[in-house]
Amino acid sequence: AQTVTQSQPEMSVQEAETVTLSCTYDTSESDYYLFWYKQPPSRQMILVIRQEAYKQQNATENRFSVNFQKAAKSFSLKISDSQLGDAAMYFCAYRSAQYEKLTFGTGTRLTIIP
Amino acid sequence: NAGVTQTPKFQVLKTGQSMTLQCAQDMNHEYMSWYRQDPGMGLRLIHYSVGAGITDQGEVPNGYNVSRSTTEDFPLRLLSAAPSQTSVYFCASSYSPGTLSGNTIYFGEGSWLTVV
Repeated sequence: AQTVTQSQPEMSVQEAETVTLSCTYDTSESDYYLFWYKQPPSRQMILVIRQEAYKQQNATENRFSVNFQKAAKSFSLKISDSQLGDAAMYFCAYRSAQYEKLTFGTGTRLTIIP
Repeated sequence: NAGVTQTPKFQVLKTGQSMTLQCAQDMNHEYMSWYRQDPGMGLRLIHYSVGAGITDQGEVPNGYNVSRSTTEDFPLRLLSAAPSQTSVYFCASSYSPGTLSGNTIYFGEGSWLTVV
């Protein structure tokens, strides 16, 4: 079974600075998808960024980028120019290309310091 | 475009009562699923469905039933509520993961359930 580990329960960063959230996963599959979801206090699940395992290029979405290390099974999220609106819980998630189940990590609570 | 709609948003139940959480999507997605979110646990899969008439258990299925009579709807039933089922519940849908569009998963806004 796949597992997703987020080893940082809480992180904080000064506004306008850069922060990196860590995620590691365990799988025996070669084809899969990885995601970062943001959950603000409203509890809505918002997709931040996704990465297909077959793509070597790291995904980017505006201020958000990932460092995908397939051999190391690592998938970190970098947030540049942090903004107050980035404060939220961030979940890393894994999905097999073959099976439907989405497996989540336990989350990292990000605080932005004005 | 409504996306994934969950009802009710808030519910308080007494132990032993039954209820159904409704989930509907208007995107013609084959895959639908239910998750529960507890503090410090992330989201855990309860049940999922890969199409009308097909359901299967996830990680934490005990105490819950599902059915999928149509592509659009995937209700979650609590037959005899217990305090341990106090949680936030999320419904999600997507195309099948083997398709090009299958890696985008849409979530409902969540249903807060308290069992006293």
